[in-house]
Amino acid sequence: DGGITQSPKYLFRKEGQNVTLSCEQNLNHDAMYWYRQDPGQGLRLIYYSQIVNDFQKGDIAEGYSVSREKKESFPLTVTSAQKNPTAFYLCASSIDRTVSNEKLFFGSGTQLSVL
Amino acid sequence: DAKTTQPPSMDCAEGRAANLPCNHSTISGNEYVYWYRQIHSQGPQYIIHGLKNNETNEMASLIITEDRKSSTLILPHATLRDTAVYYCIVRVGYGGATNKLIFGTGTLLAVQP
Repeated sequence: DGGITQSPKYLFRKEGQNVTLSCEQNLNHDAMYWYRQDPGQGLRLIYYSQIVNDFQKGDIAEGYSVSREKKESFPLTVTSAQKNPTAFYLCASSIDRTVSNEKLFFGSGTQLSVL
Repeated sequence: DAKTTQPPSMDCAEGRAANLPCNHSTISGNEYVYWYRQIHSQGPQYIIHGLKNNETNEMASLIITEDRKSSTLILPHATLRDTAVYYCIVRVGYGGATNKLIFGTGTLLAVQP
């Protein structure tokens, strides 16, 4: 089945540790996105990538880093600089950055908690 | 950026139509209205979108007022599985670097048996 796969489902981070969240898609989509969701809140955009080897900061990029070496993959690293990392992280993709009415396809999310 | 206003929560009886309102009074002419829903602890799911005409698909209908300042998502026969947070989103920008959706807090629809 085509779709977006996020792993792991649950992740725990120790103080001062960097952790990486995986996001893989087999939809042949150009654009990929990372969102953060806090309890009872909407989604906030962390980073997005319109094409391989290119990515842009979203609204809350501080303390996070990404890479886009392959079209299928857009991993997110939560660094030790992110002081409040506990949240539900969602990865999404869309077909083409130039399409005016594209829709987002979301993964099932990763819940990150601090030990 | 156009913003949206939705009620924080609504109830609906199972089998009845659920009508979810959304205000977007600052919407501009080339901005689409999107609806997504999120079931607890899952990723959001696309439902429907439109520009100015009413739209219908297998999941729902979208009614946009003539002045485009508000819209209503209609689930014609709500089931317990429709219990979720529903997001109304006005698309920001057109292509390129601003090609992203901004999610607010949405409406929690509780379908009652």
